[in-house]
Amino acid sequence: ETGVTQTPRHLVMGMTNKKSLKCEQHLGHNAMYWYKQSAKKPLELMFVYSLEERVENNSVPSRFSPECPNSSHLFLHLHTLQPEDSALYLCASSVQGGSYEQYFGPGTRLTVT
Amino acid sequence: RKEVEQDPGPFNVPEGATVAFNCTYSNSASQSFFWYRQDCRKEPKLLMSVYSSGNEDGRFTAQLNRASQYISLLIRDSKLSDSATYLCVVRVHAGNNRKLIWGLGTSLAVNP
Repeated sequence: ETGVTQTPRHLVMGMTNKKSLKCEQHLGHNAMYWYKQSAKKPLELMFVYSLEERVENNSVPSRFSPECPNSSHLFLHLHTLQPEDSALYLCASSVQGGSYEQYFGPGTRLTVT
Repeated sequence: RKEVEQDPGPFNVPEGATVAFNCTYSNSASQSFFWYRQDCRKEPKLLMSVYSSGNEDGRFTAQLNRASQYISLLIRDSKLSDSATYLCVVRVHAGNNRKLIWGLGTSLAVNP
C-alpha cells in the first residue's frame, strides 16, 4: 500500500557495529526525511533532503550520517551507537521540501545493545 | 513550554460516542495545521488539514482558533477502527525556512 519502503524492518546491533538503514520512495517526490520516534517523545526530525535544501537538526549526533544519492533513495549510516538511540526510525517523502503532506515508510525498529 | 502540546490520554470511549481532542501551539509564526493518525506499530498518515474556517470530512471535524492558539479534532459516532494515536502537527514559517513541529499525540481507544 505505501509508496515508501524501508529496510530492514527490525535491527538489533551492538554499540561497536556499523549498519545502514535504507529508504526508497516510489512516488516521484522531491524531498525525503529521516525522523526518530522514541517512546513518550514527539517525532524528531533528523535530516531533510530536497531540491531546495539539505537541512540537519544540529542536535543529531555525528554517529548518524545520512546519504541521499538521488531523489528516490535515502540512507542512514549508523556507527558506535548508544543504547538511548534505540527507537523507531521513520523515513518520509513529500512532493517538495517543507510540504505538510508527508508519506511515511513503515519504519525500522532499532535496538542498540 | 512545548511548541505543540497535546493531552496524551488515553481516551477510552464506547462505540458511537463523540470525542474531542485539543492541541495548543506556542509559536505565533505557525501558519498551517494538520492532524495525522498513527496506528499501533504503524507509520503516521495524514488525516486532515485544519483550515481557518473549520472543515469537516465525514465523521471528523477540525477547527482552528488562532486567537487562543489551539486546534481541535472532533470525532462523531466513534468506530472501533478509530482507535489510534492522533498527532497534531504545526507548520512554522520563518523566512524561507519551513518546518513541521509534531505533538506527542493523543491516544484513543474505542471500546465495544
